[in-house]
Amino acid sequence: DAGITQSPRHKVTETGTPVTLRCHQTENHRYMYWYRQDPGHGLRLIHYSYGVKDTDKGEVSDGYSVSRSKTEDFLLTLESATSSQTSVYFCAISETDDTQYFGPGTRLTVL
Amino acid sequence: QKEVEQNSGPLSVPEGAIASLNCTYSDRGSQSFFWYRQYSGKSPELIMSIYSNGDKEDGRFTAQLNKASQYVSLLIRDSQPSDSATYLCAVNKKGYQKVTFGTGTKLQVIP
Repeated sequence: DAGITQSPRHKVTETGTPVTLRCHQTENHRYMYWYRQDPGHGLRLIHYSYGVKDTDKGEVSDGYSVSRSKTEDFLLTLESATSSQTSVYFCAISETDDTQYFGPGTRLTVL
Repeated sequence: QKEVEQNSGPLSVPEGAIASLNCTYSDRGSQSFFWYRQYSGKSPELIMSIYSNGDKEDGRFTAQLNKASQYVSLLIRDSQPSDSATYLCAVNKKGYQKVTFGTGTKLQVIP
């Protein structure tokens, strides 16, 4: 998976609790992305980063926040998880703003 | 109209046949085109990228791009059961820092 790890790989949580997912890369790529994948919707961009402390919203950013304090780490936080955020979350990296390589994914279930 | 459209399938082909996967896109300014393969429960894996009109071959895979028709396709020759997966088409507009994905076509190769 191109030097990308995601943690945790699986998580079950309850509605209303905060959740943080971590993406870690060893490729020193500038761009990092968080997607969610749901049946019938494909991959949808949540947030992305184009450098340390530089982030922007994607198409489904409501209810999510991100932070990138180091090149190698990109954190996705659900401040108060809801059942609609049950999904598979993928992190991706890119050296330029073009070809993306994906991490192994995190399966999140919100009860 | 979706930005990137794919037939969801499943597309069933016999082993050894040619599988043809198609994708159309709506933004004429798109410049980069990608095909990803995703096995069930796994993350997307880059197969091919194509930037210019015409064909690009890599082993059993050929990507075809026609910008005038806003159409990109992936041919898989000598299809194998191990090719059974969902194939995602992705399109990028340089400088926009994000890639748009189709919802994928499920391919089944029948032994």
